[in-house]
Amino acid sequence: EAGVTQSPTHLIKTRGQQATLRCSPISGHTSVYWYQQALGLGLQFLLWYDEGEERNRGNFPPRFSGRQFPNYSSELNVNALELEDSALYLCASSLVQGRTADTQYFGPGTRLTVL
Amino acid sequence: DAKTTQPPSMDCAEGRAANLPCNHSTISGNEYVYWYRQIHSQGPQYIIHGLKNNETNEMASLIITEDRKSSTLILPHATLRDTAVYYCIVRQKLNTGTASKLTFGTGTRLQVTL
Repeated sequence: EAGVTQSPTHLIKTRGQQATLRCSPISGHTSVYWYQQALGLGLQFLLWYDEGEERNRGNFPPRFSGRQFPNYSSELNVNALELEDSALYLCASSLVQGRTADTQYFGPGTRLTVL
Repeated sequence: DAKTTQPPSMDCAEGRAANLPCNHSTISGNEYVYWYRQIHSQGPQYIIHGLKNNETNEMASLIITEDRKSSTLILPHATLRDTAVYYCIVRQKLNTGTASKLTFGTGTRLQVTL
């Protein structure tokens, strides 16, 4: 069974540009989570999507946004890129059954570099 | 979610058991203990989780104390490929906004040596 996939593997942008990162969850998983891991820092929760809706977001500015498609894949958009947005962006997926959110499985990440 | 405390680093000889401790003294009754590891610049890999009983899978064993205030992840025969940062995370399983996210600490950097 395929795991969580992310694309692209690497992305290089300049300040002020927009970046779009993509994530495909494990088949059957309806929830997608986005995390940011800046160099030397821990993983920080960004966004959670479930059944096409944004359920929760971390302490990030509005220029970080995303969406979840009917096939449960997800996009993370970062507008007006700043140098400090350079980081490894990780996507995770999980199965949600009623009131229970199951184990999160992570993809390999997208390394975003802002010049 | 309850906070966790882990030693910043540990060494282990290849072939020996690696025992990674985690303190979660403020854990509540409906919170699970999860363990992940992250090999340099890769996505975190799920290892194991438990509520109050000891758990074992093909990767590791998880020992949770009776009072649930601490746990130990055991890699029975560590190899060089087990060198990674290991994260202990306490989390509810509720499908709610705040409960569903994972809060990563700084973890334990395990170095497996020859």
